[in-house]
Amino acid sequence: DAGVTQSPTHLIKTRGQHVTLRCSPISGHKSVSWYQQVLGQGPQFIFQYYEKEERGRGNFPDRFSARQFPNYSSELNVNALLLGDSALYLCASSLEGTVVSNEQFFGPGTRLTVL
Amino acid sequence: GNSVTQMEGPVTLSEEAFLTINCTYTATGYPSLFWYVQYPGEGLQLLLKATKADDKGSNKGFEATYRKETTSFHLEKGSVQVSDSAVYFCALSRFSGGYNKLIFGAGTRLAVHP
Repeated sequence: DAGVTQSPTHLIKTRGQHVTLRCSPISGHKSVSWYQQVLGQGPQFIFQYYEKEERGRGNFPDRFSARQFPNYSSELNVNALLLGDSALYLCASSLEGTVVSNEQFFGPGTRLTVL
Repeated sequence: GNSVTQMEGPVTLSEEAFLTINCTYTATGYPSLFWYVQYPGEGLQLLLKATKADDKGSNKGFEATYRKETTSFHLEKGSVQVSDSAVYFCALSRFSGGYNKLIFGAGTRLAVHP
């Protein structure tokens, strides 16, 4: 079975632009979470979606938004890009988002560079 | 608040040496604990997990025991290989507000030399 897939792999944008990142979860998984990993740091939680509804949001500005589609794939959108948004964006899927011990499976990430 | 603290790296070892990477956590309630590994240019892979106190997670020769009394989840391996070179992240899963999220430490880079 295919794992979590993300596209694109790499992306270069300039300040002020908008970006859309995409994620396809493992087949059968209904929950998708997004994390931001700045170089040299651990991933930081951005959003969790379960059954197409936002269940949780981390401490990120309103420039960050996301949605989940009927097929459980997800998009992360970032508006008005800042240099500090440069990071590896990781998508993780799990069977559901309501179990503490539920394992999250990560994709390879999208490397975003903002110039 | 909830947080995870890992020993700073890099950790540099010779092949077949014993590995310990320290991890302590702060959390309310009873979180699940995880170790993830990130190889260069890749995403995160779950290495092992423990869901309650005194549980021992193990995988590929790595082990970690959930110690509630010391709020620790130290990663150990008896004999490391060059292929173990990677960044290791300790994390806890916290369920609050109807969802769970992973809270990660800053990561510890391991370099194993032949």
